[in-house]
Amino acid sequence: QLQLQESGPGLVKSSETLSLTCTVSGASLNSRSHYWGWLRQAPGKGLEWLGTIYYFGSTYYNPSLKSRVSISLDPPNQQFSLKLTSVTAADTAVYHCAKFDDTSGWHVGDWGQGTLVSVSS
Amino acid sequence: NFLLTQPHSVSESPGKTITISCTRSSGNIAINYVQWYQQRPGSAPTTVISENDQRPSGVPHRFSGSIDRSSNSASLTISGLKTEDEADYYCQSYDSNNHLIFGGGTKLTVL
Repeated sequence: QLQLQESGPGLVKSSETLSLTCTVSGASLNSRSHYWGWLRQAPGKGLEWLGTIYYFGSTYYNPSLKSRVSISLDPPNQQFSLKLTSVTAADTAVYHCAKFDDTSGWHVGDWGQGTLVSVSS
Repeated sequence: NFLLTQPHSVSESPGKTITISCTRSSGNIAINYVQWYQQRPGSAPTTVISENDQRPSGVPHRFSGSIDRSSNSASLTISGLKTEDEADYYCQSYDSNNHLIFGGGTKLTVL
């Protein structure tokens, strides 16, 4: 059974970089069948897709985040990571890592439970 | 790019039927599949409808999905409402650049 677990600081200072890691069990990050990535949900708000990475490293990012977001893979450790630079209070959210599928259209196949990251001034 | 617009909230009594709409702002709704997710408080979302109208294993038959080309929208219908259906519901599609797009979410209250 696939499991995804987010980890990282729960508090980040404004203007600094938010860094989170997702540890995957039950599936290989090298699989050609899988895509990995991140979503977030600000308190009381809706879901927002942040970005997706494929096993050989190609990435897709939410244009609204411009150049602030990056996602990378670490297959030997069964992990992938999110970096979000120059954070502000608007980046306070629960961050979910996920496995995406593109069979029958792009969608979220599996979710991590999520981790709350607060941005302090 | 396009937006997906959902009603902010809906409410209905147990046993009744509700429909939540998801309207695509531009481009044909039928071009890209629509998924629906249910999110209960404090939990990660789960899929209740995939590929416009497919129910994943384990999702009750009370849940159904459809698309309407005339209104350029997708819909989630829940019949025989139960108190356990009270949750937030999100539609999701994607664009030609492989970007996932979510609706703003609809809060369902079963009272």
